[in-house]
Amino acid sequence: SQTIHQWPATLVQPVGSPLSLECTVEGTSNPNLYWYRQAAGRGLQLLFYSVGIGQISSEVPQNLSASRPQDRQFILSSKKLLLSDSGFYLCAVGSWTATNEKLFFGSGTQLSVL
Amino acid sequence: QKEVEQDPGPLSVPEGAIVSLNCTYSNSAFQYFMWYRQYSRKGPELLMYTYSSGNKEDGRFTAQVDKSSKYISLFIRDSQPSDSATYLCAMRQGAQKLVFGQGTRLTINP
Repeated sequence: SQTIHQWPATLVQPVGSPLSLECTVEGTSNPNLYWYRQAAGRGLQLLFYSVGIGQISSEVPQNLSASRPQDRQFILSSKKLLLSDSGFYLCAVGSWTATNEKLFFGSGTQLSVL
Repeated sequence: QKEVEQDPGPLSVPEGAIVSLNCTYSNSAFQYFMWYRQYSRKGPELLMYTYSSGNKEDGRFTAQVDKSSKYISLFIRDSQPSDSATYLCAMRQGAQKLVFGQGTRLTINP
């Protein structure tokens, strides 16, 4: 089974500062990778997903971007953070069975933009 | 109307009680249904997975899908304080993206 490494666990950043969150995966190859954001009381919002190196699909146009420089590395970035970027950021890996893809999540990063 | 509706709670019950968590949905094409459990400040973990209608049991947990009513449930028997968490339902149509409910915050009181 796969292991998902996500760091840092907690991050406090000032408005206008850059952001880089990294997610790396072990135990699988060519996985589908996802970035989700969870705001308080608002459920999980899909931000980006990737089916391969350099292939990024954006679900919500906003102040964030994603990159996948290696097969098992997924990076979430921002050039200038906004207050509204605060939230709990989760990296996820898709694991396919014969008929369905199950998502497995990392431990998350709590981002506070002040 | 949201594709998936889930009562956010909070829901508080005594230890040992049977807990019922529910989601309704509007897309009749959803085929795969999942329940995730999320402890505070942790990532969600996959708890139950079902395909189409019917029941699936795993220990104290039972997942139920009623496609005719567009309604899914998660039952927890003999609830324990360690079951206190937020429970999220999720579902998808074919290879489409997973759609999550808002999550229900559950507290089991000793």
